[in-house]
Amino acid sequence: NAGVTQTPKFRILKIGQSMTLQCTQDMNHNYMYWYRQDPGMGLKLIYYSVGAGITDKGEVPNGYNVSRSTTEDFPLRLELAAPSQTSVYFCASSYSLAGRLDEQFFGPGTRLTVL
Amino acid sequence: AQKVTQAQTEISVVEKEDVTLDCVYETRDTTYYLFWYKQPPSGELVFLIRRNSFDEQNEISGRYSWNFQKSTSSFNFTITASQVVDSAVYFCALSEDNNNDMRFGAGTRLTVKP
Repeated sequence: NAGVTQTPKFRILKIGQSMTLQCTQDMNHNYMYWYRQDPGMGLKLIYYSVGAGITDKGEVPNGYNVSRSTTEDFPLRLELAAPSQTSVYFCASSYSLAGRLDEQFFGPGTRLTVL
Repeated sequence: AQKVTQAQTEISVVEKEDVTLDCVYETRDTTYYLFWYKQPPSGELVFLIRRNSFDEQNEISGRYSWNFQKSTSSFNFTITASQVVDSAVYFCALSEDNNNDMRFGAGTRLTVKP
């Protein structure tokens, strides 16, 4: 199992450009998440999904969009990149059943710089 | 919304000392899940422990132990006989059963000196 994979590992964007961060998991997890981690800070939840076709906003959703057409994939879209979106982005997945939430498995992260 | 507070921003100890990392949480839900993760200098996030709100039993795993107290809304993490390899940022996190939003604390940076 590859676990959670993210592409690209690094990216530099110019202000106003758009891009999609890819995330794929092969553990058949129903829950998936996107976080950002600013330097020296904790993780903040951007969006999450509890299953294919279902997404919801987290703590810091502005400037981002997501979709979940399959169980495996959960891409994060930045439409108009801004310097404030310079961060490390982590994708994660977990399994949840009624009355149970397992731990999250994290991808290696994407380091994004917006200049 | 739920909240996690890790008041200790940085802790520095000498190898073999014991160290406790504090985590205080706020939630209105009666069913919730608490987690600890480790982020070593390489940057990946490593799962350490999961607890649900109905299981207040303390846990020990080797040199690691966790003290969950609902009365004080705390879920503290102790490393016994710390080692240099324990140097990392440690995060406490909370997820409510009625709200799948996961909240992380700001993290505690632990430095273990030889």
